[in-house]
Amino acid sequence: QVQLVQSGTEVKKPGASMKVSCKASGYTFPNYGISWVRQAPGQGLEWMGWINPNSGNTFYAQNLQDRVTMTTDTSTSTAYMELRSLRSDDSAVYYCARKVRWELDSWGQGTLVTVSS
Amino acid sequence: QFALTQPASVSGSPGQSITVSCTGTSSDVGSFDFVSWYQQHPGKAPKLIIYDVSKRPSGISNRLSGSKSGNTASLTISGLQAEDEADYYCSSYTGSSTLYVFGTGTKVTVL
Repeated sequence: QVQLVQSGTEVKKPGASMKVSCKASGYTFPNYGISWVRQAPGQGLEWMGWINPNSGNTFYAQNLQDRVTMTTDTSTSTAYMELRSLRSDDSAVYYCARKVRWELDSWGQGTLVTVSS
Repeated sequence: QFALTQPASVSGSPGQSITVSCTGTSSDVGSFDFVSWYQQHPGKAPKLIIYDVSKRPSGISNRLSGSKSGNTASLTISGLQAEDEADYYCSSYTGSSTLYVFGTGTKVTVL
């Protein structure tokens, strides 16, 4: 079965960077995109962008494109999302999800990131 | 941050039917049949329940159905059950530089 397993909880200081991993199994990794979505405490879902593991092409949300980088390692079926220059309002649960066409059909368990001085 | 508009909350009694709306624009919901719906229980990851406006993934109950009219998509839950109590989010491809957007989210309460 399709499974996405994310890295663990992180605590970061303002201005630092974070990098979350998402290891995929149960399907052919290059054949599906990986999207990243975040959810601030008590808030809704925010689409951050997606990456095509086959080509490496990326598409980022406009409000994050200066600070975010999404990459994949097809040899380990792992996707990565790096966010730089962290602010307190970046505190959120970060999810990776498998993108089929424009639906996200399998999700990771989420990674809690807290940005605090 | 642009988001599709959903009612903050919808409630119903067990066995009833409820509908959650998702209003966008002619640039997203109105132009593309790439509307999805996600169910999220507290502390859990979202789960895909409807895609391409009205298609259900394998294993999703046929009590859940989706539709679209103009710039508004809708999720209907019939025969409401306690397990349906959750947050629901719509999403849509936009075809613009925004590319993809979620709805504001709706809390469904089973009375």
